[in-house]
Amino acid sequence: AQKVTQAQTEISVVEKEDVTLDCVYETRDTTYYLFWYKQPPSGELVFLIRRNSFDEQNEISGRYSWNFQKSTSSFNFTITASQVVDSAVYFCALIFYGGSQGNLIFGKGTKLSVKP
Amino acid sequence: NAGVMQNPRHLVRRRGQEARLRCSPMKGHSHVYWYRQLPEEGLKFMVYLQKENIIDESGMPKERFSAEFPKEGPSILRIQQVVRGDSAAYFCASSPDRGSYNEQFFGPGTRLTVL
Repeated sequence: AQKVTQAQTEISVVEKEDVTLDCVYETRDTTYYLFWYKQPPSGELVFLIRRNSFDEQNEISGRYSWNFQKSTSSFNFTITASQVVDSAVYFCALIFYGGSQGNLIFGKGTKLSVKP
Repeated sequence: NAGVMQNPRHLVRRRGQEARLRCSPMKGHSHVYWYRQLPEEGLKFMVYLQKENIIDESGMPKERFSAEFPKEGPSILRIQQVVRGDSAAYFCASSPDRGSYNEQFFGPGTRLTVL
């Protein structure tokens, strides 16, 4: 079965804390892509990152970093020095080669609240 | 360079009425995807279309739901005889060409409320 699990339903931190959002996926395919999207309170979906299954190199973009580990089927997302504007629901998603073209499989999301 | 556009942003319907949701993909994008987000849930794939073709509708409910992407004009998701359980946010996404792995650009969504 192809599945994405975000075990953390809600996380609350104080501004400037670091926070890691977990994502664990299941797929039988060796070729797949993983994504993170942000959904702020306004409701739109904002693309954050795409990573293919052959590239395990970690990525950093400003305060955001992603840790992809095939051995544990995880693609975790860390926000360093969190800010109030980071408050949103974050979704991890998967597309696998053997699946429907374009069928993004989403986790249920993690709601992050950053308090001042 | 406008992004994916969806209208209306909010739609209220009474049970039994029809709902029509529109999606205009980004310029140059010929692939459109519809997703549904139920309250407190992640997004669930519904249908994938290219111009004049339905490529995959495996996520569409068998009855009352249909989608099209005509040669000219926006993609339409149509829900006939709406029920309360259809209340959700419906997102459209587009990508530039064939391939599962392209980033999908999402529209702002249409929030459907069925009274």
